[in-house]
Amino acid sequence: AQTVTQSQPEMSVQEAETVTLSCTYDTSENNYYLFWYKQPPSRQMILVIRQEAYKQQNATENRFSVNFQKAAKSFSLKISDSQLGDTAMYFCACVDDKIIFGKGTRLHILP
Amino acid sequence: EADIYQTPRYLVIGTGKKITLECSQTMGHDKMYWYQQDPGMELHLIHYSYGVNSTEKGDLSSESTVSRIRTEHFPLTLESARPSHTSQYLCASSELGQGTSGANVLTFGAGSRLTVL
Repeated sequence: AQTVTQSQPEMSVQEAETVTLSCTYDTSENNYYLFWYKQPPSRQMILVIRQEAYKQQNATENRFSVNFQKAAKSFSLKISDSQLGDTAMYFCACVDDKIIFGKGTRLHILP
Repeated sequence: EADIYQTPRYLVIGTGKKITLECSQTMGHDKMYWYQQDPGMELHLIHYSYGVNSTEKGDLSSESTVSRIRTEHFPLTLESARPSHTSQYLCASSELGQGTSGANVLTFGAGSRLTVL
């Protein structure tokens, strides 16, 4: 069965530090997509970054990058130079023929 | 700027009332979804649709129903609201195809927060 596991329910880091959010997944498909979504407090869920499983190169979007380890089925999100506006719930998702979300990691950026 | 709109944003109603949560998107997306989410908690898929006249139940059992008469519109209805229905309801949409830049990327609405007294 398709599963997505985020092992860190909550994290706190100081502003300007680098933080890594963990995500592992399981799927029997060869063709799938992986996503990180961000949900700021009382605000809309938005896409942070996406990765196609067939691409070896790790996706990068400005301060956000992923470490995609296909064999280990791991898809961690690294946030560099963290900012107060990065405070949010972060959800990892795996899409093959279904979309499965992890339970989320609540990230606090401290001033 | 959101291209998917949910109304109402907030609703407080009494037990037994019938309510409809509206969701509309202007992106021409074929796939649409309804998620239930308690604040700060995980998402639960309750309904989805692949296109017009297509509706499917999600992973979480729900007493709500949906319809998809038009591509852009995917309303969710509760015939008789109960306090256990108190939650946030998120609508989302995505392209149907594979291999496109937007494939499988969900665009979310701002949510409808329902409180049933």
